[in-house]
Amino acid sequence: AQTVTQSQPEMSVQEAETVTLSCTYDTSESDYYLFWYKQPPSRQMILVIRQEAYKQQNATENRFSVNFQKAAKSFSLKISDSQLGDAAMYFCACSRNSGNTPLVFGKGTRLSVIA
Amino acid sequence: DTGVSQDPRHKITKRGQNVTFRCDPISEHNRLYWYRQTLGQGPEFLTYFQNEAQLEKSRLLSDRFSAERPKGSFSTLEIQRTEQGDSAMYLCASRRGQAKETQYFGPGTRLLVL
Repeated sequence: AQTVTQSQPEMSVQEAETVTLSCTYDTSESDYYLFWYKQPPSRQMILVIRQEAYKQQNATENRFSVNFQKAAKSFSLKISDSQLGDAAMYFCACSRNSGNTPLVFGKGTRLSVIA
Repeated sequence: DTGVSQDPRHKITKRGQNVTFRCDPISEHNRLYWYRQTLGQGPEFLTYFQNEAQLEKSRLLSDRFSAERPKGSFSTLEIQRTEQGDSAMYLCASRRGQAKETQYFGPGTRLLVL
């Protein structure tokens, strides 16, 4: 079974600053995928960034990047130059194999952006 | 792509009633997933389909829950004899079957059982 733990229920960041959201996971699979999803208030969940476990290079998507530490089973999300529109719930998730299998989510971190 | 759609967006029902939710995936997405999200929690997997075949069911899916995807396109999730503990957001997601594809989520159906 896979588990995902997000230890920060809430975080806040000043506009234009950088914030890091933490995530740890546990899995017995050798092949798995990791994701960060964003869920704005009353809006649907969208993918922020994904990481294949077999890749050593950390994924980046514009202002979003991850720090993937496979041995430590850690997968943190860094948001640079934070914007007001980044305010949302952020969920870390894991799936087995090629990503076809269901996602296992953490409990989420609520990010507030202060103007 | 028009996105994943779900209907209704909100549902209020009395305990003991049956409810049915519908999910229309993105066209040509052969995989469809149902999740349940309660307040303050992340989504939890319920069940998923590849085309019309139901491939996996979570232990969360009690015998009061049933899901179908009869023609491999839209899917329905029915809850019989609803209980107050069923109050939650029910999310649907779809994706293509190829490796490395992403799950796209719908807006969800928020259920309140009184």
